[in-house]
Amino acid sequence: IAGITQAPTSQILAAGRRMTLRCTQDMRHNAMYWYRQDLGLGLRLIHYSNTAGTTGKGEVPDGYSVSRANTDDFPLTLASAVPSQTSVYFCASSDGQGAEAFFGQGTRLTVV
Amino acid sequence: TQLLEQSPQFLSIQEGENLTVYCNSSSVFSSLQWYRQEPGEGPVLLVTVVTGGEVKKLKRLTFQFGDARKDSSLHITAAQPGDTGLYLCAGWANNLFFGTGTRLTVIP
Repeated sequence: IAGITQAPTSQILAAGRRMTLRCTQDMRHNAMYWYRQDLGLGLRLIHYSNTAGTTGKGEVPDGYSVSRANTDDFPLTLASAVPSQTSVYFCASSDGQGAEAFFGQGTRLTVV
Repeated sequence: TQLLEQSPQFLSIQEGENLTVYCNSSSVFSSLQWYRQEPGEGPVLLVTVVTGGEVKKLKRLTFQFGDARKDSSLHITAAQPGDTGLYLCAGWANNLFFGTGTRLTVIP
């Protein structure tokens, strides 16, 4: 069972470029999430989706967009990357509120 | 603004010592979870606590949920090098919000 698959594993991106981080799950979970992890700040919620076709803003949504065309895929797009978006990005899914969240391996993004 | 604050942020102890990590918030959560994260990996669930005052034990780890469901603690008895990692509390309030994390190092 793969669980959550994220791609790419790491990326160096020039500032101003557009980038899409991919996330796919095979657990048929309704809810999916994108977090960024920075030293000393734990994980902060960027965007979430409670079910296919719906999305919502988390704690730090500015500069990011998401879509949820189907249950399995939840891509995160940076329209015009800035250095402050340098971080490790984690995608997660759960079977609903209060349930265990399952995480991907993360994408390490460096914006230069 | 982070909803959940953890303390301490860093903790380095000798093998065999006991330790407690705290997770505090001004918000009420329907449930609270503790995750552990290894380098290069995503967080993995350790436990979920749901009822105010609830205590759960997982081998040498004891988790407690505050009576008001705003805070939690993780106590490790006789720490071992294998306990080394990043410990994260997370509260469910419509979405899952994470604490700032505690990086634990257990020295052999």
